[in-house]
Amino acid sequence: NAGVTQTPKFQVLKTGQSMTLQCAQDMNHEYMSWYRQDPGMGLRLIHYSVGAGITDQGEVPNGYNVSRSTTEDFPLRLLSAAPSQTSVYFCASSTTGAGNTIYFGEGSWLTVV
Amino acid sequence: GNSVTQMEGPVTLSEEAFLTINCTYTATGYPSLFWYVQYPGEGLQLLLKATKADDKGSNKGFEATYRKETTSFHLEKGSVQVSDSAVYFCALSDQGNDYKLSFGAGTTVTVRA
Repeated sequence: NAGVTQTPKFQVLKTGQSMTLQCAQDMNHEYMSWYRQDPGMGLRLIHYSVGAGITDQGEVPNGYNVSRSTTEDFPLRLLSAAPSQTSVYFCASSTTGAGNTIYFGEGSWLTVV
Repeated sequence: GNSVTQMEGPVTLSEEAFLTINCTYTATGYPSLFWYVQYPGEGLQLLLKATKADDKGSNKGFEATYRKETTSFHLEKGSVQVSDSAVYFCALSDQGNDYKLSFGAGTTVTVRA
């Protein structure tokens, strides 16, 4: 059981470039989300989805796009990378029941130069 | 809005010492409370959780009690090991939106032999 799989694990981008962080889960979870982790700030929610075809903004959505065409996949797109988007990105998934465990991927380290 | 405040680190301890990491929160309603742990180079793993007032979550020798009267969820372990060196995050989820987490800034704990 792979759980939540993120790719790539490391990426260096130049300012203005675009890229997509991939996230896939094999647990048939309805809910998926993307967080970014910055020093001294914990994790902050970027976008989330409660099911295929449904997405919504989290706390820090600017500069990022998402789509959810299937239950399994939830890619995060950076349309024009900026140095402020240098961060560690985590994808997560869970069912939507009360108190259910949220499972995190291993993270994607992104540097924008 | 929701917020989580946890004690700043870094915290350095000797093996077999007692560990406490303070966590307080602000939320409406009755959130669920969580402690996540992040070992070096890895993603986040759920350490323990509590879903209602006076619940005690426990795992791997760690404990935390949901105190609604003091809006706190302090993490404790009676005798730490070198393998407990990690970053610890306190988090809460909205009542009715248990899949959206608000995180504290994280506390880095280093245990020395």
